[in-house]
Amino acid sequence: AQSVTQLGSHVSVSEGALVLLRCNYSSSVPPYLFWYVQYPNQGLQLLLKYTTGATLVKGINGFEAEFKKSETSFHLTKPSAHMSDAAEYFCAVPSGGYQKVTFGTGTKLQVIP
Amino acid sequence: DGGITQSPKYLFRKEGQNVTLSCEQNLNHDAMYWYRQDPGQGLRLIYYSQIVNDFQKGDIAEGYSVSREKKESFPLTVTSAQKNPTAFYLCASSMGLERSGEQFFGPGTRLTVL
Repeated sequence: AQSVTQLGSHVSVSEGALVLLRCNYSSSVPPYLFWYVQYPNQGLQLLLKYTTGATLVKGINGFEAEFKKSETSFHLTKPSAHMSDAAEYFCAVPSGGYQKVTFGTGTKLQVIP
Repeated sequence: DGGITQSPKYLFRKEGQNVTLSCEQNLNHDAMYWYRQDPGQGLRLIYYSQIVNDFQKGDIAEGYSVSREKKESFPLTVTSAQKNPTAFYLCASSMGLERSGEQFFGPGTRLTVL
């Protein structure tokens, strides 16, 4: 079954610094991968979606993610962190014959002024 | 605007009482889902439904029940059998037939059992 692993449950960066949140998928190449963002006490919002053939995926709020088959990775990046980026970020992959989505355990991003 | 609504935002109940959380969507999505979120544990799937009048257990269905009588509605009942019901509950929907599995989420209901 497809799964994703997020390394680092908490990440802290200074305002203006590079944001890098890590996600690795299980060995078989998935046709889709997602990054979601959750602000405190809110639901999840889709940041970006990978589809087969793409390598660099651009999302909302200046985020992007690079699909690397050789590393089984789909890390999320943003060149310059903003205070409003403080949230929890989830990597996810379809599972159960596309009937479900399996989420990573999440990474909380703290932005230090 | 199309979207998913969950009500209420905050819910308080006494131990031993059943409580029903509402989830409504006007996205014309076939599939709907319920998740439970606890600090540090990510999202755990409770129940999901791909079509009206049909639903399947997720990973943590014990102590919960659902119904899917209408396409747009998927209420979740937290029963007294659920040993630790205090949590943040999220409802989601997806097109179902669209195979990417992208899900759209409601704002959540925070349930506190006293």
